[in-house]
Amino acid sequence: DAGVTQSPTHLIKTRGQHVTLRCSPISGHKSVSWYQQVLGQGPQFIFQYYEKEERGRGNFPDRFSARQFPNYSSELNVNALLLGDSALYLCASTQVGGGLQTQYFGPGTRLLVL
Amino acid sequence: GQNIDQPTEMTATEGAIVQINCTYQTSGFNGLFWYQQHAGEAPTFLSYNVLDGLEEKGRFSSFLSRSKGYSYLLLKELQMKDSASYLCAVPSASGGSYIPTFGRGTSLIVHP
Repeated sequence: DAGVTQSPTHLIKTRGQHVTLRCSPISGHKSVSWYQQVLGQGPQFIFQYYEKEERGRGNFPDRFSARQFPNYSSELNVNALLLGDSALYLCASTQVGGGLQTQYFGPGTRLLVL
Repeated sequence: GQNIDQPTEMTATEGAIVQINCTYQTSGFNGLFWYQQHAGEAPTFLSYNVLDGLEEKGRFSSFLSRSKGYSYLLLKELQMKDSASYLCAVPSASGGSYIPTFGRGTSLIVHP
């Protein structure tokens, strides 16, 4: 069975641009969470979606938005990119929402903002 | 809010035992996760403790003391492949869901 997949694997953008990151959860998993991981830090929670509804939001500005599709895949959008948005963006899936289940992480998208 | 503290870096010798500590402060406790993350890779689940005591899983064990806000991950018979970052995470309730807060991770270097 395929694990969590994310695309693209790497991305280079310039300040002010917009980016869309994509995630497909493990088959049968209905919840997706997004995290930002800066080098040397642990993952920071951005969003959690379950059954296409937002179930949790971390302390990130409104430039960050996400959505979940009927097939449970998800997109993370970041507008007006800043240099500080350079990070590894991780997607994790669980069977149901809630957050007390083991998170299965994808390989991440490494975003570099110049 | 959540406050999680882990040592930044530890070194150990192949074949030895190492203990990685995690202290946390939380308004409501809902368990504690440990994840392993190799450089350039995604975190992978190691353990989840919700009750006090030691849980053993092969070479890895995890301990929890809720009264002390303390957990540790014990790695025995260290192998070179155990060199990785070890992340402690504590979920907190938020609007009907639970949001995990991760520590900054402990970078473990295993040398021959």
